[in-house]
Amino acid sequence: SAVISQKPSRDICQRGTSLTIQCQVDSQVTMMFWYRQQPGQSLTLIATANQGSEATYESGFVIDKFPISRPNLTFSTLTVSNMSPEDSSIYLCSVAGTSRDTEAFFGQGTRLTVV
Amino acid sequence: KQEVTQIPAALSVPEGENLVLNCSFTDSAIYNLQWFRQDPGKGLTSLLLIQSSQREQTSGRLNASLDKSSGRSTLYIAASQPGDSATYLCAVRKGGATNKLIFGTGTLLAVQP
Repeated sequence: SAVISQKPSRDICQRGTSLTIQCQVDSQVTMMFWYRQQPGQSLTLIATANQGSEATYESGFVIDKFPISRPNLTFSTLTVSNMSPEDSSIYLCSVAGTSRDTEAFFGQGTRLTVV
Repeated sequence: KQEVTQIPAALSVPEGENLVLNCSFTDSAIYNLQWFRQDPGKGLTSLLLIQSSQREQTSGRLNASLDKSSGRSTLYIAASQPGDSATYLCAVRKGGATNKLIFGTGTLLAVQP
């Protein structure tokens, strides 16, 4: 199994500002994903972070709002830009192998509150 | 479009009871199904992974079954304990070009001492 460290674990931010969330994995992984969990809701995939190329975004999510970096096979960042209270959520990093048989693992999440 | 539903949305049981959580999905073309546990405000802990070719998986007091043809999975928890209190999520890995998970709505479990 992979050990995933996510920073920060929580933050309270002013509207209009940006926050960058870091995800560090203890081993090289091919697939890294970013999910959002809005209050009382289940998880929704934001994007797949691709190493060395632009992230692949799901419908309803755009690069300008959620820029993602993936400089290597163990690290990724998600930025939440120009935040509004509607962005208050838990943001989670996830990793999995390329095989569709593999298990997915998650970080502890970043609890973001926008005031 | 794949939709994943979990019933019940919330469940409260006395300590020691055996219980079953249900997960249903609309598209049977899945690669696997994974059960997770989430404590309040925290990330997800993987409990069990069932491949599409498997019928069940067991880990300790947990047993998960999968009936792909009917689009159903169950998570059985034996001899529940207060420490089992959490939200339980199921997720299916869909077929096609992507490798992403589609999550269910979750079941909030409270085990009363």
